[in-house]
Amino acid sequence: DGGITQSPKYLFRKEGQNVTLSCEQNLNHDAMYWYRQDPGQGLRLIYYSQIVNDFQKGDIAEGYSVSREKKESFPLTVTSAQKNPTAFYLCASSTLTGGNQPQHFGDGTRLSIL
Amino acid sequence: AQKITQTQPGMFVQEKEAVTLDCTYDTSDQSYGLFWYKQPSSGEMIFLIYQGSYDEQNATEGRYSLNFQKARKSANLVISASQLGDSAMYFCAMREMSFGNEKLTFGTGTRLTIIP
Repeated sequence: DGGITQSPKYLFRKEGQNVTLSCEQNLNHDAMYWYRQDPGQGLRLIYYSQIVNDFQKGDIAEGYSVSREKKESFPLTVTSAQKNPTAFYLCASSTLTGGNQPQHFGDGTRLSIL
Repeated sequence: AQKITQTQPGMFVQEKEAVTLDCTYDTSDQSYGLFWYKQPSSGEMIFLIYQGSYDEQNATEGRYSLNFQKARKSANLVISASQLGDSAMYFCAMREMSFGNEKLTFGTGTRLTIIP
């Protein structure tokens, strides 16, 4: 089955700790995205990547870092510099071949502070 | 200014009735696309329907249709014959087609509750 796998489903972070959220896709999509969702809010773009070894900051990149070493994988690290990391994190992917192609989403990771 | 505005934080609708979820957008691009997503309580985002700015007809997908009024910059989602499983958050999103720009901008969503 083609899709996007995010892990873990739940994650807890201690003060001063970096944590990494995993996102893997087997849809052969070129573009991948990370969004943050706070309660009662829409999605805000953290980082996106359209090609391996290249990525761009979204609207709220401070305190986050990413890598894109393989087409299938786009891990997100929430660093200790992100002072309010508690949120629901969604990874998405899409083709770049046409404007009508939707982004496909994973099931999300819920991050909380211990 | 907000690019996507969803003015209805919550709606309650009787089962089997039709429901319209409002979405207005703001862009200076001539070429753009509008998407609707459904987010059940489990959290995943489910793509429902797409409307391109140059599409002359309103998009339809099963029980979902999009009432696209370009001059008013509105792209309302219509769900016909609502079902209990339609209870969820619904998000409107826009993609502006500037070269190399594949980003989506999301509204704040509408929580739809279907009453038996």
